[in-house]
Amino acid sequence: KAGVTQTPRYLIKTRGQQVTLSCSPISGHRSVSWYQQTPGQGLQFLFEYFSETQRNKGNFPGRFSGRQFSNSRSEMNVSTLELGDSALYLCASSLALHTGELFFGEGSRLTVL
Amino acid sequence: DQQVKQNSPSLSVQEGRISILNCDYTNSMFDYFLWYKKYPAEGPTFLISISSIKDKNEDGRFTVFLNKSAKHLSLHIVPSQPGDSAVYFCAASASKGKLTFGTGTRLTIIP
Repeated sequence: KAGVTQTPRYLIKTRGQQVTLSCSPISGHRSVSWYQQTPGQGLQFLFEYFSETQRNKGNFPGRFSGRQFSNSRSEMNVSTLELGDSALYLCASSLALHTGELFFGEGSRLTVL
Repeated sequence: DQQVKQNSPSLSVQEGRISILNCDYTNSMFDYFLWYKKYPAEGPTFLISISSIKDKNEDGRFTVFLNKSAKHLSLHIVPSQPGDSAVYFCAASASKGKLTFGTGTRLTIIP
């Protein structure tokens, strides 16, 4: 069974640009969560989607947004990029909400210059 | 406000010895705890979990201990092997909801 797939794996943007990251969950998984990982901050929760609806949101500015499609695939978007947005963005899937264990993708490493 | 804390950014242990990674939490609503392991350029992988109704859970070389009164959990790896060198994240949730992660501890196993 294929794991969680994230694209692109690496990307470089400049300040002010916007970026869209994509995540395909494990087949059959309907919940997708996004996390930001930066040095010293661990994994910070961005948002969680289930059945195309955002179920939970972390403490990030409105420049960070996401959505989930009917096939459970998810995208997240960051607009007006700032240097501090440079991070590893991790997507995780689970069968449903409130199952505890998450299965992570390899992440999309974003560098903002 | 860091609700899950891993106060040791790094830890070095001799191969064959015991590795003990620690984690503290502040939110008394947390009732489900997990440990994830992360290699460079890979996503975190689930290692072991424990529910607040238990104080110990064991899986092979890995044992997690939970002290609810102290709001503290620890991961024991015995014996430590070179392949255990990775960053370990502690995570907690309330009713198996959103996971809150610690900042991670980089474990290095010295051959």
